[in-house]
Amino acid sequence: QVQLQESGPGLVKPSETLSLTCTVSGASISISSWSWIRQPAGKGLEWIGHIYPSGSTNYNPSLKSRLTMSVDMSKNQFSLKLSSVTAADAAVYSCARSTGDYGALFDYWGQGTLVTVSS
Amino acid sequence: QSALTQPPSASGSPGQSVTISCTGTSSDVGGYNFVSWYQQHPGKAPKVMIYEVSKRPSGVPDRFSGSKSGNTASLTVSGLQAEDEADYYCSSYGGSNNLVFGGGTKLTVL
Repeated sequence: QVQLQESGPGLVKPSETLSLTCTVSGASISISSWSWIRQPAGKGLEWIGHIYPSGSTNYNPSLKSRLTMSVDMSKNQFSLKLSSVTAADAAVYSCARSTGDYGALFDYWGQGTLVTVSS
Repeated sequence: QSALTQPPSASGSPGQSVTISCTGTSSDVGGYNFVSWYQQHPGKAPKVMIYEVSKRPSGVPDRFSGSKSGNTASLTVSGLQAEDEADYYCSSYGGSNNLVFGGGTKLTVL
């Protein structure tokens, strides 16, 4: 059974960097691509980006300039850094496994972690 | 990349069928057969119900079906049951290594 668990600070100050980690169990991070998806309160889902085991990434163009994703094979984890956050970045952030062509299918999800942006 | 357009709400009585639409453009929904549908109950992680327009993952009831015509994809839930009440999101490959979601539809079982 593949399981994903997000971790990181639940509160980030405006203009600072949001950092989250997703720990994967039940599957090797080396054989799939992995995504971050967020959901602001009361709103829909937004794809943030995904990372391949090689470290190659694809990012949502609207976030690309502030976004960095990385993978740590030794810990079976992947991470997200979003810089210069504003209130608009407050959301539940979820990690998911991306499969299929273009990584267009998210077949396993974490439970999500709430990130608040406030001073 | 704009979000795909879904109706905010849909409803039906138990046993009835309901169809939820997901409208994009020729650059996403219309251009690729990589449309997925996700069910999300309150406080829970999304669950994939349909992928590649009309394929059902193992374990998903055959009451759920997907289709596509032009730039619009659809999810049909037949024989509505109380446990089908949830939010439903579509997603599509959007070209240029982008993925896009719809705004979500709240399905109410009356």
